[in-house]
Amino acid sequence: GESVGLHLPTLSVQEGDNSIINCAYSNSASDYFIWYKQESGKGPQFIIDIRSNMDKRQGQRVTVLLNKTVKHLSLQIAATQPGDSAVYFCAENFSGYSTLTFGKGTMLLVSP
Amino acid sequence: GAGVSQSPRYKVAKRGQDVALRCDPISGHVSLFWYQQALGQGPEFLTYFQNEAQLDKSGLPSDRFFAERPEGSVSTLKIQRTQQEDSAVYLCASTATKSYEQYFGPGTRLTVT
Repeated sequence: GESVGLHLPTLSVQEGDNSIINCAYSNSASDYFIWYKQESGKGPQFIIDIRSNMDKRQGQRVTVLLNKTVKHLSLQIAATQPGDSAVYFCAENFSGYSTLTFGKGTMLLVSP
Repeated sequence: GAGVSQSPRYKVAKRGQDVALRCDPISGHVSLFWYQQALGQGPEFLTYFQNEAQLDKSGLPSDRFFAERPEGSVSTLKIQRTQQEDSAVYLCASTATKSYEQYFGPGTRLTVT
């Protein structure tokens, strides 16, 4: 289930399930989006990116969907594994501004 | 090849002490970023360098924070007169030319007591 406020939203799934992590971004001018995975004690690790001229992009076991109308981004992980357990952040960027703006993050917990 | 490295990995400072955090970006990466990450939050931008030029420091929370990259490679983030609210993980990231993909280091966890 999910919790809000000061705590990270948490998604708990069973190994082998498909996971969907959602993100609402803030800037309608953003034209580049990245999903990062962050394990405890480590820096964020790139998973997949998408530009605003696309609605969908697929990688290995991961798919990112972009809905610019409602400023929504989602990350789908197929056949989730215990090693996928981490905090997932979406980040946005717009041309001419080099830094990334990160969302709050979602913790994914995968049970064997 | 080697990724972004940061040192120290952990730093405990007494309130009022000065600290210096180091970042070694990926060799040849032109752009370097510093972020601050509070517990349970996403990274928040502090400052950005392109080569040795600091192009944006709008995220630095106060004038106690100072960053430099004198030769366009290694960068140091300095915090003077540390306060408890400075306790966080400080992340460094670098990018290659004309790329938006930022590669992050493992971070330095700063605890101010």
